[in-house]
Amino acid sequence: GAGVSQSPRYKVAKRGQDVALRCDPISGHVSLFWYQQALGQGPEFLTYFQNEAQLDKSGLPSDRFFAERPEGSVSTLKIQRTQQEDSAVYLCASSLGGGSTDTQYFGPGTRLTVL
Amino acid sequence: GDSVTQMEGPVTLSEEAFLTINCTYTATGYPSLFWYVQYPGEGLQLLLKATKADDKGSNKGFEATYRKETTSFHLEKGSVQVSDSAVYFCALSDPAMNTGNQFYFGTGTSLTVIP
Repeated sequence: GAGVSQSPRYKVAKRGQDVALRCDPISGHVSLFWYQQALGQGPEFLTYFQNEAQLDKSGLPSDRFFAERPEGSVSTLKIQRTQQEDSAVYLCASSLGGGSTDTQYFGPGTRLTVL
Repeated sequence: GDSVTQMEGPVTLSEEAFLTINCTYTATGYPSLFWYVQYPGEGLQLLLKATKADDKGSNKGFEATYRKETTSFHLEKGSVQVSDSAVYFCALSDPAMNTGNQFYFGTGTSLTVIP
């Protein structure tokens, strides 16, 4: 079946612009995660949804970052007034259930470059 | 807080050599442990996992054993192939932290296997 998909794959923004990144999880997966991966580093947690409920947003670096999953399927990560330090790969992952033992399935990521 | 420490790379090996990539962790609770692999140009893929102490995860000739006494989850393969060239990430999820579902990743270890 289809895996996790993300769009766009690449995004270039000028400093101060708003961007929206989309994630389509695996169908039927309850949990959805966003991670940020800086160059040469491991992914870092941003936020977590169980169905449409955002249960953890402790990793969002500032109030410029906002995520939603209104119907419990597709999710959008929005970054307002982008800054150069926002340049990174943004990864989306989904898992079938809500347990800590569950495998997370990752999308290919969106590479954001802020000029 | 929780964290994962991976051995520094890059690692270069000849084909058929033995591979060890060290991973140690710090966790508040009893975590599940994962190894993910990222092949060039692709997204993160689960390689193997272990959800309790003394469990051994294995896949594609790779193995890792969950050692609670040494807080380690080292990745091993007896005979590497050129196709194993990739970046390897160790990760944990901890039911004692927040919602218990987010992954904490190491920084990744780049492996290059030469013929």
